[in-house]
Amino acid sequence: DTEVTQTPKHLVMGMTNKKSLKCEQHMGHRAMYWYKQKAKKPPELMFVYSYEKLSINESVPSRFSPECPNSSLLNLHLHALQPEDSALYLCASSQPTGIDNEQFFGPGTRLTVL
Amino acid sequence: AQSVTQPDIHITVSEGASLELRCNYSYGATPYLFWYVQSPGQGLQLLLKYFSGDTLVQGIKGFEAEFKRSQSSFNLRKPSVHWSDAAEYFCAVARRTNAGKSTFGDGTTLTVKP
Repeated sequence: DTEVTQTPKHLVMGMTNKKSLKCEQHMGHRAMYWYKQKAKKPPELMFVYSYEKLSINESVPSRFSPECPNSSLLNLHLHALQPEDSALYLCASSQPTGIDNEQFFGPGTRLTVL
Repeated sequence: AQSVTQPDIHITVSEGASLELRCNYSYGATPYLFWYVQSPGQGLQLLLKYFSGDTLVQGIKGFEAEFKRSQSSFNLRKPSVHWSDAAEYFCAVARRTNAGKSTFGDGTTLTVKP
């Protein structure tokens, strides 16, 4: 299984809502990533988890809260978002180190903040 | 710091014509190089990668890329483009010890004319 799954596919939320994005992989990867991607732009790295521990936080606002409950799951909790947070949120996984540790990406969650 | 430049923001080719997408990178040593394709609203799909060995790399969907160290380039080619190849293409570079943390180019949008 070389698939990364993300749910939901689409999410519309108000600025006062709390919601969560979910990502799952069963490739035995021990690194997982959240990216934010605006239209016609490359993905921007938000967070990296390595062996279920947060290893990189690219100065992301606290209204985004990541969680890695186990080696297969990655969540992104959203609270009090702003309209400019509307974007495609991509999850990826890889081996943390080694020669052949390229990333596998999920299909993304399209988030709209009203 | 590593960086990637994709000089062409938008390229239009006729179906059946050949294609070359340019990618130049800046990095102190030989990096790990990738090409991804992204259809609208979708995640990133890995087309091919270069780590070492043969500098001409074959990928999926009939794509190939050539690593030229002297030119710091990793251009993507396809001999005959299909309408389904219309998409956004991203070149990415990563350190060999941490391929999971990639730096992406700004992307090239490919339009295919019938």
